[in-house]
Amino acid sequence: SQQGEEDPQALSIQEGENATMNCSYKTSINNLQWYRQNSGRGLVHLILIRSNEREKHSGRLRVTLDTSKKSSSLLITASRAADTASYFCATVPGGSEKLVFGKGTKLTVNP
Amino acid sequence: EADIYQTPRYLVIGTGKKITLECSQTMGHDKMYWYQQDPGMELHLIHYSYGVNSTEKGDLSSESTVSRIRTEHFPLTLESARPSHTSQYLCASSEKGQRYGYTFGSGTRLTVV
Repeated sequence: SQQGEEDPQALSIQEGENATMNCSYKTSINNLQWYRQNSGRGLVHLILIRSNEREKHSGRLRVTLDTSKKSSSLLITASRAADTASYFCATVPGGSEKLVFGKGTKLTVNP
Repeated sequence: EADIYQTPRYLVIGTGKKITLECSQTMGHDKMYWYQQDPGMELHLIHYSYGVNSTEKGDLSSESTVSRIRTEHFPLTLESARPSHTSQYLCASSEKGQRYGYTFGSGTRLTVV
């Protein structure tokens, strides 16, 4: 069953701009993770934020988590053409150890 | 550099054939997973294992089977492939506690004709 849902489904921006993707989920979680997938490839883990954390940074990535609204956002600053990919949020529902993925946001960064 | 390896990368096979998709990891992770993903769609968990001789079905019903005889190896088998099995199959592993998320292989894109 789908737990996370990303918004928007697709996003097209110019190089240098910031990209923001949102994720909403349905049940309580242990943690929330963001992954990147280049076309036709496997997923790459970007960042993990625990349910008791509100914000986390990694390089040009900033993730926020609002457990009261059951939502998270991924901000990519100063985007590059190489950031073009699909981005998935995934949650570990409380009481489970299995990741459940959303449908993803397809990001296109135009040079 | 990937520490989890999937072979083959691409496979085109006729209906009714038996196939095995290989997945191996060198990280000593206890937990391994198989996900199925159609193009542009979300990932669906079809099988997982929390250790040797332990396998469970995932959230999406699948006609495939898996085995876990060694920690590093988690192959997926389809006894009789059908066109409806055409998809991308992704293998992943994680350590206990999931402090660092899942590590994914590059996937096997299966086409059944």
